[in-house]
Amino acid sequence: DADVTQTPRNRITKTGKRIMLECSQTKGHDRMYWYRQDPGLGLRLIYYSFDVKDINKGEISDGYSVSRQAQAKFSLSLESAIPNQTALYFCATSDRSGGYTQYFGPGTRLTVL
Amino acid sequence: AQKITQTQPGMFVQEKEAVTLDCTYDTSDPSYGLFWYKQPSSGEMIFLIYQGSYDQQNATEGRYSLNFQKARKSANLVISASQLGDSAMYFCAMRERNTGNQFYFGTGTSLTVIP
Repeated sequence: DADVTQTPRNRITKTGKRIMLECSQTKGHDRMYWYRQDPGLGLRLIYYSFDVKDINKGEISDGYSVSRQAQAKFSLSLESAIPNQTALYFCATSDRSGGYTQYFGPGTRLTVL
Repeated sequence: AQKITQTQPGMFVQEKEAVTLDCTYDTSDPSYGLFWYKQPSSGEMIFLIYQGSYDQQNATEGRYSLNFQKARKSANLVISASQLGDSAMYFCAMRERNTGNQFYFGTGTSLTVIP
């Protein structure tokens, strides 16, 4: 079984809809992250969490919210989706090992029409 | 200023040859880490190699090595004996202690291995 899982893997939604992306990990890591990837722009950090009670905004948090339900679960919500939120979304986890190396989930491809 | 710069949008290499993918970084933090990830066409991000700023020797992982030149602020990835399966996007990333160990990613280099 994969160490970092994301659901759904693909989602098509309409403008204005609320959508939640979920991430679960079995690596036992304390830190979790949400990124989005757009063509030509690399990965940009949306939110990150160092433990259940510590959540921080990243570079591009506007229009997004997160919830850290447990050490192993970190959800990303789009309260009112808009077309320019169409992207590939990644969850990642890390701890202090390997210089805080981040391990990524398989990604969620989100399309907002 | 960009924290990570990858100046090669696309690279080609003959199968079994070695290839170097360039990465330069910008930081004033003495404690940082440098990473390379591979993203095949299937989309997943695969960790390849890590180099700490205090590491004296270049990191190696199988056919991957990181050519760390601290004074030049470069962290190039060298892939030896290229294989067809190495065709993918490659991303360089940096972690800074001063910013809570956040990662900063470059825009990537697309590598195509030619048979």
